[in-house]
Parts: sequence; C-alpha cells; structure tokens
Amino acid sequence: ILNVEQSPQSLHVQEGDSTNFTCSFPSSNFYALHWYRWETAKSPEALFVMTLNGDEKKKGRISATLNTKEGYSYLYIKGSQPEDSATYLCAYGGSQGNLIFGKGTKLSVKP
Amino acid sequence: DSGVTQTPKHLITATGQRVTLRCSPRSGDLSVYWYQQSLDQGLQFLIQYYNGEERAKGNILERFSAQQFPDLHSELNLSSLELGDSALYFCASSVAAGPGYGYTFGSGTRLTVV
Repeated sequence: ILNVEQSPQSLHVQEGDSTNFTCSFPSSNFYALHWYRWETAKSPEALFVMTLNGDEKKKGRISATLNTKEGYSYLYIKGSQPEDSATYLCAYGGSQGNLIFGKGTKLSVKP
Repeated sequence: DSGVTQTPKHLITATGQRVTLRCSPRSGDLSVYWYQQSLDQGLQFLIQYYNGEERAKGNILERFSAQQFPDLHSELNLSSLELGDSALYFCASSVAAGPGYGYTFGSGTRLTVV
C-alpha cells in the first residue's frame, strides 16, 4: 500500500516567519509529486507538479524541492502572511494520473 | 469558480438508501477523479475515468459505482448507505490521464447518512 506522509501535522507561526514542511513518499517507480493548497471552506488548488529529481518550483513566496532518490519533497514559505493559512497537501502521482494524498500540514499564521 | 461543477452541494439521506453524485469537469478536461474525505482521514482515491473509460480504481467499495458519460460528466452512485459513508466527496478533473497533470477540484458534495 502506497503511503504518503506529511510532517508536521500542524504548524503555528507568526506573520513574517519563514517555514517549511516535508512530504515523504515511496522512492521506487516514481512518476510525479504534486502540492496543493486547501483553504477552509474552499477546494484544494494546485500549487506545483514536479516530475524530475532535483526539480525546484517557485510561485511568489512559496517554493518546493524534490528528491526522488530518497523519496521526499519540501515546501517552503518565505515571510508567511495570514493569507497563507491553509492546509498544504502533497500527493504522489500514479502512472494513470491518480493521486495518493498525504493528510496534509495545517498552517496557521498569526498577524 | 474552478470550472468543475459538483451537485448537489449537500445531501442528507437515511441508511440503506441510494444516492447519485454528479460532476461536470472543467471544459477541455478528459479525465475525472473521485475522492472521499471522511473525518480525520485524508483524501482517499476512489476511481478515475478518462474519456469515458475506467482508468484506475482505488479503495472503492462494491456498493459504490461510477461512470463517465459521452459528454464527459461523471456520476458516482452510492447504494445501501451506511453511517460510515458520511463524508465529503470531491470530484477533480485534469486535461489528460497521466501523473504530470494537475487537478482542478470541484467544491465537493457533503453527504450525511442518518
């Protein structure tokens, strides 16, 4: 059974802090790793899709890295803002495109 | 509006009943995915369709079935409902079937079985 683990489960930071969280996934038969942002009362929204070892993606203050050989990805948020408060999901992509999601890291940013 | 439409938004029904959840994918997307989110669980993959054909199956119960129609909308049928089927059911779509395509999610259907 494929397992995608995310840590920490939750994180409370002050506005302006930089933060990062981890996603661990099986390193064999790797296809893709996705990150999604899920705000309360909304639907998950795609942040990044990464397919190659060493991939780095950036969107504003948010960036992600990928290590397929050791089976982990990091998501970084620089200078957290209250509007960054959300649950961040990572998902391991199967060959057909179906995604296996982790349980997410819930980020709360205090003003 | 993400472009993925799910109906209904909320559904309350009794145990033993049957319900149908509907999903219209974003325009141009051929692949549709169904996910279940129960309390304290992550998003659990149920089933995937691509251009009308089943492509991948997750931990979908035998009481559940789905299909994708020629106009690409999809329906998830849940029968002999149990209290444990209460969950948020998401539909997502992507342009094609493959690991490198990001999902667009619908707003979900909240099913409550009483």
